[in-house]
Amino acid sequence: AAGVIQSPRHLIKEKRETATLKCYPIPRHDTVYWYQQGPGQDPQFLISFYEKMQSDKGSIPDRFSAQQFSDYHSELNMSSLELGDSALYFCASSLLSGEKLFFGSGTQLSVL
Amino acid sequence: AQKITQTQPGMFVQEKEAVTLDCTYDTSDPSYGLFWYKQPSSGEMIFLIYQGSYDQQNATEGRYSLNFQKARKSANLVISASQLGDSAMYFCAMRGRMDSSYKLIFGSGTRLLVRP
Repeated sequence: AAGVIQSPRHLIKEKRETATLKCYPIPRHDTVYWYQQGPGQDPQFLISFYEKMQSDKGSIPDRFSAQQFSDYHSELNMSSLELGDSALYFCASSLLSGEKLFFGSGTQLSVL
Repeated sequence: AQKITQTQPGMFVQEKEAVTLDCTYDTSDPSYGLFWYKQPSSGEMIFLIYQGSYDQQNATEGRYSLNFQKARKSANLVISASQLGDSAMYFCAMRGRMDSSYKLIFGSGTRLLVRP
């Protein structure tokens, strides 16, 4: 069965650079979530989209933005990167009315 | 507000023995789901088991079972016959229908180490 696809798997950036993370949800899932997991931390909710519209916003810095496209894939754009942005970024998808939420393998971002 | 509490930062278990990982939750939502995820050192978040708040039976998935005590607001994960490959971080999480986006919120996790 198709799973949530995230790319890239690993990303290394310098301070003040920009990064774009991509997420391809499970086909026919209408909701996408982005989470940030710092070292030794639990995942923290950043932002979500339902049917290509932003549905909720968590602790996402103003330097970050995200969108969901017509094909339902989503991108998380991160600008003016800081050392503290180094983390594992997860995308997850589900049916809004569904019971289960499935995660991608994550993108490990390292800011040097 | 919804909250998940995992009070065991780390646990050891002997291979082939059973282990219980604790999870308590707090919510005013009458309809919610409880999840357990496994995160090995490779980083991926692996879905293990799900329990709906209105489910009458405790959920089971192979060697995983969820001890759901609604009145006590607890959803402990029981792993039977532990294997070395079970060594990982385990997160309890909740999703409530009063939340417009139905997002998951996580506990702080329990690191399980299985001893040979």
